[in-house]
Amino acid sequence: QVQLVQSGSELKKPGASVKISCKVSGYRFTSYAMNWVRQAPGQGLDWVGGISTNSGSPTFAPGFTGRFVFSLDTSLSTTYLQISDLTPEDTAVYYCARHYNGLDVWGQGTAVVVSS
Amino acid sequence: DIQMTQSPPTLSASVGDRVTITCRASQTITTWLAWYQQKSGEAPKVLIYKASSLQSGVPSRFSGSGSGTEFSLTIRSLQPDDIATYFCQQYSNYPYTFGQGTKVEI
Repeated sequence: QVQLVQSGSELKKPGASVKISCKVSGYRFTSYAMNWVRQAPGQGLDWVGGISTNSGSPTFAPGFTGRFVFSLDTSLSTTYLQISDLTPEDTAVYYCARHYNGLDVWGQGTAVVVSS
Repeated sequence: DIQMTQSPPTLSASVGDRVTITCRASQTITTWLAWYQQKSGEAPKVLIYKASSLQSGVPSRFSGSGSGTEFSLTIRSLQPDDIATYFCQQYSNYPYTFGQGTKVEI
């Protein structure tokens, strides 16, 4: 069946970087764009952006430019979100989600905690 | 950016009630709107896409309507399993944006 499996929780110090992976199975990786969504503790959903799994072309929401980078490894059917220069405000659960009929399949989420 | 205004923020109802959540877009999005259900500690799950299309496997007590800038999600007969927070999202224009969420309590 269609699945998105994300990497495990991360604890980072301010100023560090983190790279989260999202591995897909059950469908052709390049058929659908991948989106990323952030959810800070107790808060709503923020659309971080998305990446075309065909061309690798990214789109970012305002507020998620500069320190946020998407990448692909098509051979591994995996998408990555890298965040650099982390601050405590980046503490959140990050979800990958397939863009089809809205966001129809979601990863389980990766918790990133930034604390000194 | 398109702003999505969702109401009410919290909704308290009884089992069997008909419940309606509304979402307003700051500009027209035709029908490029999805509704999600998020239970505590879980990833969101799509219920409705293209404003009124029911996602496969979602109970038929859920329905969506609207077009342009005004949308609604209705739960025909509220069940205990429907306790969750519900979000709308427009995917008409980048950046895709979510409503603030509606917490449904029984």
